[in-house]
Amino acid sequence: EVQLVESGGGLVQPGRSMKLSCAASGFTFSNYGMAWVRQAPTKGLEWVATISYDGSSTYYRDSVKGRFTISRDNAKSTLYLQMNSLRSEDTATYYCTPGAYFDYWGQGVMVTVSS
Amino acid sequence: DVVMTQTPVSLSLAIGQPASISCKSSQSLLGTSGKTFLNWILQRPGQSPKRLIYQVSKLYSEVPDRFSGSGSETEFTLKISRVEAEDLGVYYCWQGTHFPFTFGSGTKLEIK
Repeated sequence: EVQLVESGGGLVQPGRSMKLSCAASGFTFSNYGMAWVRQAPTKGLEWVATISYDGSSTYYRDSVKGRFTISRDNAKSTLYLQMNSLRSEDTATYYCTPGAYFDYWGQGVMVTVSS
Repeated sequence: DVVMTQTPVSLSLAIGQPASISCKSSQSLLGTSGKTFLNWILQRPGQSPKRLIYQVSKLYSEVPDRFSGSGSETEFTLKISRVEAEDLGVYYCWQGTHFPFTFGSGTKLEIK
């Protein structure tokens, strides 16, 4: 059974940093690209970043480029999202999801950026 | 960025009625691989999204065959032949052909 468990969220002040983790199991993590997708409260879904299966390629939406870094540790089957210079508009539930088709989703982790 | 336009915004249907959701993209989703990365997901109330259809019309094994997807290039449709109670929620189309990947704004299906 595929499981994706996001963690590391919470309340953070604007301008500060936070690092999210996503522990994956039930599939061969190192074979799949991974993505972070977020959902602001009562809003729709928004793709944030993608990383290739081996970490050699990364892609970001413009609004997080230069502030967020997606990375992975295949030995630990874990995906990360380092978020710096956080803004109020980054407030959302963050989901990690594998593959080219976002086949599975975790329960998500809430990030609230507020003073 | 590719803009994904979904209509209608909401649907209120009785059990057994058919449903149809349109998704239009601002540019062709046919990729250089010859594949069209137009996908559909469902987010039930209070839950995480779940996969429904990939590459326009391919159903995942766990998805009931009352669901179907069709379309090409820039116009796509999700159909439910007969709505059931478990189908309520928000349906999103999204494209994985062009970065940044983009989602439609969602269609909320309510059961009368």
